[in-house]
Amino acid sequence: QVQVVQSGAEVRKPGASVKVSCKASGYTFTDYHIHWVRQAPGQGLEWMGCINANSGATAYAQKFQGRVTMTRDTSITTAYMELSRLTSDDTAVYYCAREDWYFRFWGQGTLVAVSS
Amino acid sequence: DIVMTQSPDSLAVSLGERATINCKSSQSVLHSSTNQNHLAWFQKKPGQPPKLFIYGASTRESGVPDRFSGSGSGTDFTLTISSLQAEDVAVYYCQQYHSLPRTFGQGTKVEIK
Repeated sequence: QVQVVQSGAEVRKPGASVKVSCKASGYTFTDYHIHWVRQAPGQGLEWMGCINANSGATAYAQKFQGRVTMTRDTSITTAYMELSRLTSDDTAVYYCAREDWYFRFWGQGTLVAVSS
Repeated sequence: DIVMTQSPDSLAVSLGERATINCKSSQSVLHSSTNQNHLAWFQKKPGQPPKLFIYGASTRESGVPDRFSGSGSGTDFTLTISSLQAEDVAVYYCQQYHSLPRTFGQGTKVEIK
């Protein structure tokens, strides 16, 4: 069965970076793209970008260009999302999701709190 | 970018009554390669990841109750809950997967009246 498991909650100070992992299992990792979506408190769902797990090619939302880096390690079937120069506006739950055209399988979410 | 606009932002419906949520895209999400509308609906409850309910505008995901239905084509779509149950209280989002960037509607909060 397909499983997508994310790393645990993180607390960072403003200006720092955070790297969230997304461990996939139960399918051929390189056959699917992984997307990242976040939800800030009281806000809606916001698409951040995606990575082709086979080639490593990425596409990022313009809002995060220059601040986000998505990578993957095929040997351990894990995708990563690193966000730098954090501000309080980046406090959110971050989700990864496997693309089957649509997002059928989601990670459980990772809370990233940015506070001084 | 394709802008997704949902209406209303929130609605309160009596148990057993019908709830209707609308979603409009700024351009058609009918995909030429699949001849399908690349439009999905998600249910979001606090503390849980989004759950796929509808894809292809009208195909119910496995396990989703048949009181949920999706309709529409091109730029105008609807999610209908035919008989609202207590467990349906949630925020519902439409999302287009026609092109990058993937975009979501702002969400519609469904409550019990």
